Amino acid sequence: KAGVTQTPRYLIKTRGQQVTLSCSPISGHRSVSWYQQTPGQGLQFLFEYFSETQRNKGNFPGRFSGRQFSNSRSEMNVSTLELGDSALYLCASSLSGAYTDTQYFGPGTRLTVL
Amino acid sequence: AQSVAQPEDQVNVAEGNPLTVKCTYSVSGNPYLFWYVQYPNRGLQFLLKYITGDNLVKGSYGFEAEFNKSQTSFHLKKPSALVSDSALYFCAVRDYQAGTALIFGKGTTLSVSS
Repeated sequence: KAGVTQTPRYLIKTRGQQVTLSCSPISGHRSVSWYQQTPGQGLQFLFEYFSETQRNKGNFPGRFSGRQFSNSRSEMNVSTLELGDSALYLCASSLSGAYTDTQYFGPGTRLTVL
Repeated sequence: AQSVAQPEDQVNVAEGNPLTVKCTYSVSGNPYLFWYVQYPNRGLQFLLKYITGDNLVKGSYGFEAEFNKSQTSFHLKKPSALVSDSALYFCAVRDYQAGTALIFGKGTTLSVSS
């Protein structure tokens, strides 16, 4: 079974631009979560989608948004980019998002904001 | 609030020796605990999880972890370290209060020398 895929793998943007990242979950998985990884803050939860609905949200500004499609694929968008948004963005999928479910992570998208 | 502590930034071990990577947690309800490993420029790989039952959990690549409720710990162990085990290790916790989000520790870099 194919793992979680994320595109693109690398992105370079400038301040003020917006960016869209894509995530395809493992086949059959309906829950998709997004995390931001930075050297200073570590791994932080952004949001989780299940059946096209945002079910949980972390403590990030409204510039960070996401959506999920009927095929469970997900996108996240960051508007008005800031230098501090430079990070590795990780997508994770699980069967149903239950507390006992294992989240399987993709390779990440490395975003650099100049 | 939920939290995870990995008290050691780095653990150094000689190949063939046993290794331990420490993790303690704080949650208000029953914890669901996970260990992940991250290799350079890669996403997180799932190693093992504790949900309920036997306190000793066996996982991938010969790793195991022991859940200790009284000490609120979930240390990762391996009887004989390999050079290829050198990587960044994350402990994570989930409980009903956190919802479906994984709360991660800061990570511990494991370095295995030959």
